[in-house]
Amino acid sequence: ETGVTQSPTHLIKTRGQQVTLRCSSQSGHNTVSWYQQALGQGPQFIFQYYREEENGRGNFPPRFSGLQFPNYSSELNVNALELDDSALYLCASTQAGTPLHFGNGTRLTVT
Amino acid sequence: AQSVTQPDIHITVSEGASLELRCNYSYGATPYLFWYVQSPGQGLQLLLKYFSGDTLVQGIKGFEAEFKRSQSSFNLRKPSVHWSDAAEYFCAVVTGGGADGLTFGKGTHLIIQP
Repeated sequence: ETGVTQSPTHLIKTRGQQVTLRCSSQSGHNTVSWYQQALGQGPQFIFQYYREEENGRGNFPPRFSGLQFPNYSSELNVNALELDDSALYLCASTQAGTPLHFGNGTRLTVT
Repeated sequence: AQSVTQPDIHITVSEGASLELRCNYSYGATPYLFWYVQSPGQGLQLLLKYFSGDTLVQGIKGFEAEFKRSQSSFNLRKPSVHWSDAAEYFCAVVTGGGADGLTFGKGTHLIIQP
């Protein structure tokens, strides 16, 4: 039990659509980070939110955006989906830059 | 930019045997180093981390790792593996305050033979 819950677990979307992925944490850590894990690869850092503000971003285009709420839950939004966006999306409660607890992820398939 | 190399894509070990998973990083200063494990269909679990101090770090589940600056390595070890250790293992590095996120290696898939 990691205390980090992601929903949905699986999702199928069509190219060009928009998607919202959700993450909630019981840990109380005020920082959440999101990662994209393509099949057979290590996770890649998308961005990090601290106290509802984005305070770090990886090499991802602006169509990847996020929100963090006062209760530390978070959303990842992806617009104009592309086939290459198919991946496992992971969120993690994060402390001092260290992702401590990952959720089980959302598997996104773009067709 | 920092990078992480895990040279072994797959490793097969007999149950009860010792294990060493290799990790090399590329970064000018001393990085913060991590090992995570991922079981099928699961998220990642933090095994251990190195920030500074003692170069031999103890983690959960009987794992340890040793930071060797001269070799730019942070290898993960376990003296005796169990079938439940079969999983994907990722080495990762972060620099600075962590706002740039972790840079992960591509992972090593560990197979345990009975």
